Amino acid sequence: AQKITQTQPGMFVQEKEAVTLDCTYDTSDPSYGLFWYKQPSSGEMIFLIYQGSYDQQNATEGRYSLNFQKARKSANLVISASQLGDSAMYFCAMREGKGYSTLTFGKGTMLLVSP
Amino acid sequence: KAGVTQTPRYLIKTRGQQVTLSCSPISGHRSVSWYQQTPGQGLQFLFEYFSETQRNKGNFPGRFSGRQFSNSRSEMNVSTLELGDSALYLCASSGGGQEGGTEAFFGQGTRLTVV
Repeated sequence: AQKITQTQPGMFVQEKEAVTLDCTYDTSDPSYGLFWYKQPSSGEMIFLIYQGSYDQQNATEGRYSLNFQKARKSANLVISASQLGDSAMYFCAMREGKGYSTLTFGKGTMLLVSP
Repeated sequence: KAGVTQTPRYLIKTRGQQVTLSCSPISGHRSVSWYQQTPGQGLQFLFEYFSETQRNKGNFPGRFSGRQFSNSRSEMNVSTLELGDSALYLCASSGGGQEGGTEAFFGQGTRLTVV
């Protein structure tokens, strides 16, 4: 079974609207971390937001927030007030256990923001 | 503070040759992980180094190897290059402590083309 599933290959949104990118994960380890990255066409992987499995509150970073539903094993990224510069690939990733920094990635969602 | 630096940015090699890629992590970070990104396979974990020791390894042939120096800089080497090794190679820098870290920052990547 895939550890990280991103079911939306592509998403379209209009500028200034909010958009939710879906991510579900699968792990039996009680200690894990969930990451979201943005990858523009240049290739660089830009860290957006992190959520730990023991965090009580949903993570937020500026216009990015993570809708963490632990029982459903989902960690959706919400981008508020989309901007043209948000057009990029978005990857959800998971780190399992302690003592390792290895990330397992989903296949990504291509987000296109139109004027 | 300086980010993660990968060199070179672009590389063209011939089948059968070998190549060495370099990654300098963020100052103070002791963990460096390497990933291969291709259109077909997505992002795949290669290996992780922590304090000069390989801590984790992905499912890649022995042609792929790496090492980490005392200053935490890491190199990865691919010998006997094949056309399928053409990819974007990304390295990630994190603190790498027992808790695994809540951050993982990537370099801009090295785009390797094998002809």
